[in-house]
Amino acid sequence: GAVVSQHPSRVICKSGTSVKIECRSLDFQATTMFWYRQFPKQSLMLMATSNEGSKATYEQGVEKDKFLINHASLTLSTLTVTSAHPEDSSFYICSARGGDKEAFFGQGTRLTVV
Amino acid sequence: GEDVEQSLFLSVREGDSSVINCTYTDSSSTYLYWYKQEPGAGLQLLTYIFSNMDMKQDQRLTVLLNKKDKHLSLRIADTQTGDSAIYFCAESQGQGGKLIFGQGTELSVKP
Repeated sequence: GAVVSQHPSRVICKSGTSVKIECRSLDFQATTMFWYRQFPKQSLMLMATSNEGSKATYEQGVEKDKFLINHASLTLSTLTVTSAHPEDSSFYICSARGGDKEAFFGQGTRLTVV
Repeated sequence: GEDVEQSLFLSVREGDSSVINCTYTDSSSTYLYWYKQEPGAGLQLLTYIFSNMDMKQDQRLTVLLNKKDKHLSLRIADTQTGDSAIYFCAESQGQGGKLIFGQGTELSVKP
């Protein structure tokens, strides 16, 4: 299957700082990227959907000013958690798809805010 | 709204078959998926089934779909310790549509 690379795999940051997570499609052009959040022992909750070159569509209850998503190219989307707080600690996963094909998932990023 | 439900835990012995069940509510779902997640990792697509199919088999994996009851199952034959992971079912409207995930079933395989 296609490869989606997500970095970093793990990050620890201080409260109040911002953290950027990258999601890259390595061998295909990702017209759409999805960002999910997963709490321990729970399912994946879709945060937002981004299409290349346009603004992301956020799910209800997700603060767009806190979780900034940029999808500036067909191979890269970034999620920036701004002014992070301990309650933002979670596992963040991206997925990417090209056209109407299936979506492939990144390895995930474990964010810990201290 | 859309909802996908799974049992949370399943424990089997190595060599036995595992059956993980899933129910969904959205009758307009066209694709149903099974993903595997190992600890601290992303999701790996195992298989998927289109809603006009009843069954799909791929090596040790068999997917059964009862569209009338909105019930999906994943059978893993000859379960191995390496199959221990969390298994998520998911549904979407269209192959590239938004995925709605179940809570995940933690499969534990004992030697």
